[in-house]
Amino acid sequence: GQQVMQIPQYQHVQEGEDFTTYCNSSTTLSNIQWYKQRPGGHPVFLIQLVKSGEVKKQKRLTFQFGEAKKNSSLHITATQTTDVGTYFCAGPSNTGKLIFGQGTTLQVKP
Amino acid sequence: KAGVTQTPRYLIKTRGQQVTLSCSPISGHRSVSWYQQTPGQGLQFLFEYFSETQRNKGNFPGRFSGRQFSNSRSEMNVSTLELGDSALYLCASSLELAGVADTQYFGPGTRLTVL
Repeated sequence: GQQVMQIPQYQHVQEGEDFTTYCNSSTTLSNIQWYKQRPGGHPVFLIQLVKSGEVKKQKRLTFQFGEAKKNSSLHITATQTTDVGTYFCAGPSNTGKLIFGQGTTLQVKP
Repeated sequence: KAGVTQTPRYLIKTRGQQVTLSCSPISGHRSVSWYQQTPGQGLQFLFEYFSETQRNKGNFPGRFSGRQFSNSRSEMNVSTLELGDSALYLCASSLELAGVADTQYFGPGTRLTVL
């Protein structure tokens, strides 16, 4: 079946370092969505990318959608302790449901 | 607008019992999806309801069931609870205007512990 995979599963960085998580789908996606879940919280929608090669920025976060619309990345510049959490990518299946990646958990050492 | 609400927030049950969890979506949202989240397993899709009909179903046993009411509120039921059912159960609602998986707005979840 259709799968969405994320790497790495965990990442520990020193505050101020950059961080990147990668998302790969087994099939072409109509869009890719990113969510963030803080420790003890619930996933919160960050952004949606729709176009091939699309790049969007939210302050220190940069999101990219691959040319083939099968992969995506989230890059955080100069991490802060407020960036701690698990980042999920998700893409729609051919039945319309969202398939989530396993998530990348980011720890930031102050 | 009020966000997605879930009740109860915490629940402790024993093996063999059954449990019903409730979810009220954002006003105007017609799609409600349920997910199970356990450490290391990410978000496992249970099912999705749209206009009172189950539209999608994940790979969970028949002990897991759900329904949606005419006001879009949804419930999920787990019968004959097992220890492995201990998890955070998340409900998410979306507008689903175009029939394509839309942005999911998650509730705070129900933390179920099975003893």
